[in-house]
Amino acid sequence: QQQVKQSPQSLIVQKGGISIINCAYENTAFDYFPWYQQFPGKGPALLIAIRPDVSEKKEGRFTISFNKSAKQFSLHIMDSQPGDSATYFCAASHTGTASKLTFGTGTRLQVTL
Amino acid sequence: NAGVTQTPKFRVLKTGQSMTLLCAQDMNHEYMYWYRQDPGMGLRLIHYSVGEGTTAKGEVPDGYNVSRLKKQNFLLGLESAAPSQTSVYFCASRPGQGAGTEAFFGQGTRLTVV
Repeated sequence: QQQVKQSPQSLIVQKGGISIINCAYENTAFDYFPWYQQFPGKGPALLIAIRPDVSEKKEGRFTISFNKSAKQFSLHIMDSQPGDSATYFCAASHTGTASKLTFGTGTRLQVTL
Repeated sequence: NAGVTQTPKFRVLKTGQSMTLLCAQDMNHEYMYWYRQDPGMGLRLIHYSVGEGTTAKGEVPDGYNVSRLKKQNFLLGLESAAPSQTSVYFCASRPGQGAGTEAFFGQGTRLTVV
């Protein structure tokens, strides 16, 4: 049973455009929702994260939108740049279960010139 | 500050061989995790530890064993490797209990079982 569903699987965006990746979760006990960025040959690295008591969080060009009632959250990358080309994973965890991260299946983003 | 270090980075095993993957963290983190990453499946949790001397099963534990004899080290063992264990393995660590704590990942170990 996949507890965190991520879409799309791949995304191609022109430079300067907006990249949007969506995730949906099932477990209402999740209390932490991070997004990880992974470049080829590297480990995932935290990009931005949100708690369920906040509907939006922005850090530079990256914004998380969170809809608790719909059990959905999304990552928006504004003014997308070629350097943003990477694989993005949404994840969720629950403090009461050793804060284990459950990951989505990933989105491969390519930003073209 | 090395963070999370995994050794080896690459390994080719024959079916039936055994090996141990080492994860070391220098951040004094309580929690450590082993994940495997396969195309189209994201990262799946194999085993985890909430402190020295503790281990627990994750989502896909079969065929793997772990040990955490020292707080800074978390070992992942394959007793009899199978082709289905061909994957990229990532270790991660986290400070401990409490929502909102960042998990730090190592660079990964690419394992091929032939």
